[in-house]
Amino acid sequence: GEDVEQSLFLSVREGDSSVINCTYTDSSSTYLYWYKQEPGAGLQLLTYIFSNMDMKQDQRLTVLLNKKDKHLSLRIADTQTGDSAIYFCAESIETGGSYIPTFGRGTSLIVHP
Amino acid sequence: GAGVSQSPRYKVTKRGQDVALRCDPISGHVSLYWYRQALGQGPEFLTYFNYEAQQDKSGLPNDRFSAERPEGSISTLTIQRTEQRDSAMYRCASSAPFAQHFGDGTRLSIL
Repeated sequence: GEDVEQSLFLSVREGDSSVINCTYTDSSSTYLYWYKQEPGAGLQLLTYIFSNMDMKQDQRLTVLLNKKDKHLSLRIADTQTGDSAIYFCAESIETGGSYIPTFGRGTSLIVHP
Repeated sequence: GAGVSQSPRYKVTKRGQDVALRCDPISGHVSLYWYRQALGQGPEFLTYFNYEAQQDKSGLPNDRFSAERPEGSISTLTIQRTEQRDSAMYRCASSAPFAQHFGDGTRLSIL
């Protein structure tokens, strides 16, 4: 099975909150990330959380980490049409001073006006 | 530059040709990573460098793939004798130290 799993699609109405979920398998994960990919563009690092944290908030973004269940979520408040993109969850483990993320397949967020 | 720069943005070549993909990381970033991303998938790790040293190349699919970063800055990913299955988006990222910043990628199409 895959190391990082995400649902493939999420559809929400503009102004609602979006919650994108992710599960991972490696309990020794050090950092967990959310990346955003817009059409024709590279992956943009949205936010990350260190494994000893439960929550991180950054403006409209809230990341929740349940280390016991190996579950990570990204909540986007007041979702806008500009938030439509593919969101990738990733985990990384420290190896020789570097952190190599393992990515999920991405969740396509579709925001309806 | 301000971000990770990759060139070319698009590369179309015939099967059997060699290709070289270039990555110019963010200035001062020690680590540089190469990924391959197929349609509908997340990036798949290929190899990474700390400075000029290749630390891990376990993700390279076979010996037709190689990478170098001779002066610890710009890196080149080379694919020899390309095959159709090599068609994908190839992404480069650099980091300092734990958050990776990606370039826009090179879309490689093998005819």
